[in-house]
Amino acid sequence: GNSVTQMEGPVTLSEEAFLTINCTYTATGYPSLFWYVQYPGEGLQLLLKATKADDKGSNKGFEATYRKETTSFHLEKGSVQVSDSAVYFCALSTTNNNDMRFGAGTRLTVKP
Amino acid sequence: AAGVIQSPRHLIKEKRETATLKCYPIPRHDTVYWYQQGPGQDPQFLISFYEKMQSDKGSIPDRFSAQQFSDYHSELNMSSLELGDSALYFCASSLFRGRDEQFFGPGTRLTVL
Repeated sequence: GNSVTQMEGPVTLSEEAFLTINCTYTATGYPSLFWYVQYPGEGLQLLLKATKADDKGSNKGFEATYRKETTSFHLEKGSVQVSDSAVYFCALSTTNNNDMRFGAGTRLTVKP
Repeated sequence: AAGVIQSPRHLIKEKRETATLKCYPIPRHDTVYWYQQGPGQDPQFLISFYEKMQSDKGSIPDRFSAQQFSDYHSELNMSSLELGDSALYFCASSLFRGRDEQFFGPGTRLTVL
């Protein structure tokens, strides 16, 4: 079945540090891949997405590239800010499964 | 831009009581999804509706039921509540079922005492 494996947290970084959160997936068919962010006490917000191999999603300085050969969609940001502190979820969906499959989530804390 | 609306935002119930959660999708979205997120957990898919028909079923307990109405809003009905049902319940909507992005509501936090 479809599943997402995500780097376990929590991750604690200093402001302006480089961020990588690893995500790999297993899917039948051709999935779309997503990164969602959840701030404390709030719902899930789409951060970025990619719908086919080699696509790069980007938003707010975050980037992730859909790598079919390694079945990965790692999230990166060159310089994190305190306001980036949140839980990040990698997710996938396919036309075969009418639901979003989420990774376990990675809690990021950025310290000044 | 209009977002997904959920009500109520917070709900406190006693064990064995019944709860109804409501979801109003983004206008013109044809698919609605329900997810349950336990404390420190990732969202787990419960059920979805496409054009008012149930389209997929996930880990939804038999005590729960849901439906989508003619105006596309959806309700999740939960009966015989248990302590373990305490969680954040999200509704999401999308245009075109399957691979498209899902837009999430703010969630309903259910606490069962």
